[in-house]
Amino acid sequence: GDSVTQMEGPVTLSEEAFLTINCTYTATGYPSLFWYVQYPGEGLQLLLKATKADDKGSNKGFEATYRKETTSFHLEKGSVQVSDSAVYFCALSPSNTGKLIFGQGTTLQVKP
Amino acid sequence: GAVVSQHPSRVICKSGTSVKIECRSLDFQATTMFWYRQFPKKSLMLMATSNEGSKATYEQGVEKDKFLINHASLTLSTLTVTSAHPEDSSFYICSARAGEWGNEQFFGPGTRLTVL
Repeated sequence: GDSVTQMEGPVTLSEEAFLTINCTYTATGYPSLFWYVQYPGEGLQLLLKATKADDKGSNKGFEATYRKETTSFHLEKGSVQVSDSAVYFCALSPSNTGKLIFGQGTTLQVKP
Repeated sequence: GAVVSQHPSRVICKSGTSVKIECRSLDFQATTMFWYRQFPKKSLMLMATSNEGSKATYEQGVEKDKFLINHASLTLSTLTVTSAHPEDSSFYICSARAGEWGNEQFFGPGTRLTVL
């Protein structure tokens, strides 16, 4: 079945460091891909998404490109801030279902 | 963005009792709501999808008689864990979506259930 695999955390970075969180997926058809972020004590929020191959989603300085050839959707940010500390979830939605299948989440801790 | 609330945020109950968790969309009408379960250091697992006014659709392996879902209005869905056991202890998260399947899901903050 469809699945999402994220890199194990936690990831600890200093402020202004470059961030990459790897995400790969297995799916039939043409899924949409998402990154969600969960700040402490809050619900998951959509960070960015891409709906077809080679699309780049971006928001708040974060970017991810839908790579069908490598079945990947890695999250990147050029310069992280302490306020980016959160849990990040990669997810896919199989074609025409509206459902979400999540990776296990990666905790990011940014230190001043 | 749209706001989804859950109540309670935490609940502790005795084994064998039933617990009801509410999920509300505060500023939009949710034609579809989803219930997820999250284990420690694990991904969210979709339990069921509920559409207003109809029976919920459960994912494979989820006991429909144990996890009762009701979506009685466009702003409220409830999950009742019946005859709870310690293995039901988990973090339960709901999400809500307005309109068609391509629209964004908005997530509640989750409910921590502990069964003693």
